[in-house]
Amino acid sequence: GQNIDQPTEMTATEGAIVQINCTYQTSGFNGLFWYQQHAGEAPTFLSYNVLDGLEEKGRFSSFLSRSKGYSYLLLKELQMKDSASYLCAVMDSNYQLIWGAGTKLIIKP
Amino acid sequence: ETGVTQTPRHLVMGMTNKKSLKCEQHLGHNAMYWYKQSAKKPLELMFVYNFKEQTENNSVPSRFSPECPNSSHLFLHLHTLQPEDSALYLCASSQEGTSGSNEQFFGPGTRLTVL
Repeated sequence: GQNIDQPTEMTATEGAIVQINCTYQTSGFNGLFWYQQHAGEAPTFLSYNVLDGLEEKGRFSSFLSRSKGYSYLLLKELQMKDSASYLCAVMDSNYQLIWGAGTKLIIKP
Repeated sequence: ETGVTQTPRHLVMGMTNKKSLKCEQHLGHNAMYWYKQSAKKPLELMFVYNFKEQTENNSVPSRFSPECPNSSHLFLHLHTLQPEDSALYLCASSQEGTSGSNEQFFGPGTRLTVL
């Protein structure tokens, strides 16, 4: 079966760095997405990786290793507004998104 | 604002009621989706419409009935729901068939409670 695993919850301190991991097993691979979802709001697109390596976008970076079925989202200089759930999703061979359950990130002052 | 709107934002209904959820996208996309989001569970894809044609129906019970009258509008008709159907229902759209990430843009969702 297809499976996306990510931690349920993480806690970090304002100003620090946090890495949210995602491992996947899917039938085919056409890219990996990270979305941010604040409580009561829509998920919003953060990043897309289809090739191995690191993609940097401001304070957020996303890494992909296709051979290991592994990705991480790195958040630097954490701000209180970064408190949200972070969703990992993989597009499979049928171009369907397979979603993880999300990682709730709690930022403490 | 993501360019995808949903109404109503909140809905409480009894098991014998009939109601409809509405989604509209202002992005010119050609694909629209309905998802169910329950607490601490992955997003569950319910239906996909591509160029107004339904291309996916992931074994969704018949008490959920989608309608896509055009590429900008999507409805989810609800009837005789069960309490376990209480969840956040998200609509999304994307532009399929082009190069790039084809990321999905989500609406704010409808919080549905079935009594």
